[in-house]
Amino acid sequence: GAVVSQHPSWVICKSGTSVKIECRSLDFQATTMFWYRQFPKQSLMLMATSNEGSKATYEQGVEKDKFLINHASLTLSTLTVTSAHPEDSSFYICSASSGGYNEQFFGPGTRLTVL
Amino acid sequence: KQEVTQIPAALSVPEGENLVLNCSFTDSAIYNLQWFRQDPGKGLTSLLLIQSSQREQTSGRLNASLDKSSGRSTLYIAASQPGDSATYLCAVSRAGTASKLTFGTGTRLQVTL
Repeated sequence: GAVVSQHPSWVICKSGTSVKIECRSLDFQATTMFWYRQFPKQSLMLMATSNEGSKATYEQGVEKDKFLINHASLTLSTLTVTSAHPEDSSFYICSASSGGYNEQFFGPGTRLTVL
Repeated sequence: KQEVTQIPAALSVPEGENLVLNCSFTDSAIYNLQWFRQDPGKGLTSLLLIQSSQREQTSGRLNASLDKSSGRSTLYIAASQPGDSATYLCAVSRAGTASKLTFGTGTRLQVTL
């Protein structure tokens, strides 16, 4: 299967700082990338969908100004958590697809802890 | 709004047992259904993908069935092993917006020696 990486795998930051998480498709062109959030012992919740070169589409209840998503190339999408607060502490997972009805491939996740 | 539920939430079985995990969804207008495995603190590993026109898929000791009209899927694991211990998630994509996945609540499986 296709490989998707995330960096960093974990990050600890102070409240009020911004954190950037990268998602890369290593061996295919990802027309579409997805960002999910997973709280402890809960399932994945889709935050936003991004298509290369376009603005991301955010799910209801997700603040677009707080969670900035950039998908500037076919192999890279970034999620920036701005002015992070302890309630933003979570496991963030990205996935990538070559578009349309094609399968999504998931990254290994990034554990964010905001102190 | 699609809702996906998995039963049981947690399951502990001795090694060697066959077991069944259940997934139900409220909107039968799906494009496909996937089963994933998630180890603690890790990402997702895709196990099986069933298109809406299919009834089942098999991979090794895993067999997944789909009854779209009743909104149900089962994941059958034969001859369970301690290495099967993980959380199992099912997810459905909606027809017409096949790229968006709705995940179930997960079943935490522990296979004991």
